[in-house]
Amino acid sequence: DAGITQSPRYKITETGRQVTLMCHQTWSHSYMFWYRQDLGHGLRLIYYSAAADITDKGEVPDGYVVSRSKTENFPLTLESATRSQTSVYFCASIGGIGAAFFGQGTRLTVV
Amino acid sequence: GENVEQHPSTLSVQEGDSAVIKCTYSDSASNYFPWYKQELGKGPQLIIDIRSNVGEKKDQRIAVTLNKTAKHFSLHITETQPEDSAVYFCAANGKSNFGNEKLTFGTGTRLTIIP
Repeated sequence: DAGITQSPRYKITETGRQVTLMCHQTWSHSYMFWYRQDLGHGLRLIYYSAAADITDKGEVPDGYVVSRSKTENFPLTLESATRSQTSVYFCASIGGIGAAFFGQGTRLTVV
Repeated sequence: GENVEQHPSTLSVQEGDSAVIKCTYSDSASNYFPWYKQELGKGPQLIIDIRSNVGEKKDQRIAVTLNKTAKHFSLHITETQPEDSAVYFCAANGKSNFGNEKLTFGTGTRLTIIP
């Protein structure tokens, strides 16, 4: 299916564990983004990427790592999960006109 | 960097009435302003956007206005319907190390349409 897909949709993990959230897009968009959504904060940018192997920090990057070896994939890794990283995570990509397209989100709970 | 403020945080309107959500931005270099609608359990979806070379854009019952001088833009929904109930986000683009594709979002407005 064309579009942007995230996996898993739901994840429960323990404090201190490493967890990776996956994002895949089929449009070959250059730009990809990871946001977290928390009540009262809206959508905050964690990391973004302009192309394969080109990434940069966003507003709240601490505790997260990204990679982009292929244009279509942009995984987000929590190296050692903390309770403060409990959130809903959204991946997005931007096409040529500037409009961002979002995935369905991953609800992560750190216990 | 860019800062986007959005008001109100919650809004209830009677079905058939109009709803207005307002946003301000800080970076005068921003030139792209999208609006997103997020329904429960889903990702945000683009509903309308405007670029800085126009002052207003309409799409059926929704419209967006932009005042570059004052650095604010607004979403207007007319003849509201129950399916308009959702959380709405405004955003503005801003400079990044790669270009100006980075979007900064407002904190959202929960719109409730009262039947």
